[in-house]
Amino acid sequence: AQSVTQLDSQVPVFEEAPVELRCNYSSSVSVYLFWYVQYPNQGLQLLLKYLSGSTLVESINGFEAEFNKSQTSFHLRKPSVHISDTAEYFCAVSNPSGGSNYKLTFGKGTLLTVNP
Amino acid sequence: NAGVTQTPKFQVLKTGQSMTLQCAQDMNHEYMSWYRQDPGMGLRLIHYSVGAGITDQGEVPNGYNVSRSTTEDFPLRLLSAAPSQTSVYFCASSYSYNEQFFGPGTRLTVL
Repeated sequence: AQSVTQLDSQVPVFEEAPVELRCNYSSSVSVYLFWYVQYPNQGLQLLLKYLSGSTLVESINGFEAEFNKSQTSFHLRKPSVHISDTAEYFCAVSNPSGGSNYKLTFGKGTLLTVNP
Repeated sequence: NAGVTQTPKFQVLKTGQSMTLQCAQDMNHEYMSWYRQDPGMGLRLIHYSVGAGITDQGEVPNGYNVSRSTTEDFPLRLLSAAPSQTSVYFCASSYSYNEQFFGPGTRLTVL
């Protein structure tokens, strides 16, 4: 079985400050890792993903995440946040082997609030 | 493409009533799933389907039924609603392990 832990339920920051949202996973097999974002009263959208290859992955709006296998982590970072980044962020993991590779296990989410 | 659509957007039920949450996708995705989202709990998988005629249980299946007669549609049925089923329900679809596409959600209140 696999699990995801998001260490912070809420992260308040000021505009233009850097931010890191932490995610740790537990799995006995190799994994695919995802970050999804949910803006208020909307569904989830994929922000970025790690499947294989380079351990540093980037999104089009300035977020990046680094897969660290030894620490079983996939932390999300942005060097300078905007008010529009206010949203809830979910880390998720799937198992690419066998028939269950479509199933996602989500963390409980981190609410990022960017203040002016 | 409309992507993943869900109806209704909001619903209020009384305990014991039944209803069906509708989900449809027009991307020809084989994989579809239902999640519920509760405060502080993240998203939890209710049921999923890997193709027409094939469904399986997720993490929290009790009180819910699903069927998949076509690739496009994946309805979720509540046979006898309970207050514990008050939640926001999301449907998602995927063509591979690469990414799941989510609908806008249905906010359900059971009184």
